Amino acid sequence: GQQVMQIPQYQHVQEGEDFTTYCNSSTTLSNIQWYKQRPGGHPVFLIQLVKSGEVKKQKRLTFQFGEAKKNSSLHITATQTTDVGTYFCAGRAGGSQGNLIFGKGTKLSVKP
Amino acid sequence: NAGVMQNPRHLVRRRGQEARLRCSPVKGHSHVYWYRQLPEEGLKFMVYLQKENIIDESGMPKERFSAEFPKEGPSILRIQQVVRGDSAAYFCASSRQGWTNEKLFFGSGTQLSVL
Repeated sequence: GQQVMQIPQYQHVQEGEDFTTYCNSSTTLSNIQWYKQRPGGHPVFLIQLVKSGEVKKQKRLTFQFGEAKKNSSLHITATQTTDVGTYFCAGRAGGSQGNLIFGKGTKLSVKP
Repeated sequence: NAGVMQNPRHLVRRRGQEARLRCSPVKGHSHVYWYRQLPEEGLKFMVYLQKENIIDESGMPKERFSAEFPKEGPSILRIQQVVRGDSAAYFCASSRQGWTNEKLFFGSGTQLSVL
C-alpha cells in the first residue's frame, strides 16, 4: 500500500539556524498537506500543495512539491523557539478521493 | 466558532472494559475521520464517516473496534474489551466536504490508557 516517509525523525537546532524536513511517497500524490503538532497538542493544518513543482511561502516557511509529485519539503529559515513541534506531511493518492496518509513526522526542537 | 470537540480528554480503562470516544465536528462539517497516534509515531488512519454512513474503514481493526456517526449527535469510536495495546491518542478530524482537497480540522484528542 501507499507509504509516506519523512526524514529526519528528529532535528535539534540552535535558534536562528535553518531547518528542513523531507517527505517521500511510494506513489504519485494528487496533493500533499503539511500539519504542525505542538507538544501535547493536536495537528494543525499549515498548507496544501497541489501542482507539480509548486512552491508556497508562509513568512519563514517554504513548502515545495516535487516535479514528479512524489516528494515534498518544508524549510524554515532562522528558526525560533515558537517553531518547536512535530511537522507532518500527509499525502493523498488515488486521485482527489484518496485516503490521506500521514508520515511519521519530524520532531523539531530549538535551543534558545 | 467551536472547533472539533472531543471528549473525554483522558480515559482510563482496565483490560476487558469498553471505551467510548466522542467527537463533535466543526459546525457545518458532515465528514468525520478518526486517527490513532502512538508516542513518537505519525497519525494512522482508522475510519472515515459521513452522516449515518461509513465511507472508508480500511484502517479499522476487524475486531473490537466500531465507529458511527448518527444523524443527530456526535461521532462515536467504540473499542470493546480493550487491551494494553489500545493505549494511544485518538484524534478526530472533520471537513466540510469529503476526501477532496479539503484540509482537516483536528480535535484535541482523547488519550486512552489501558491498565
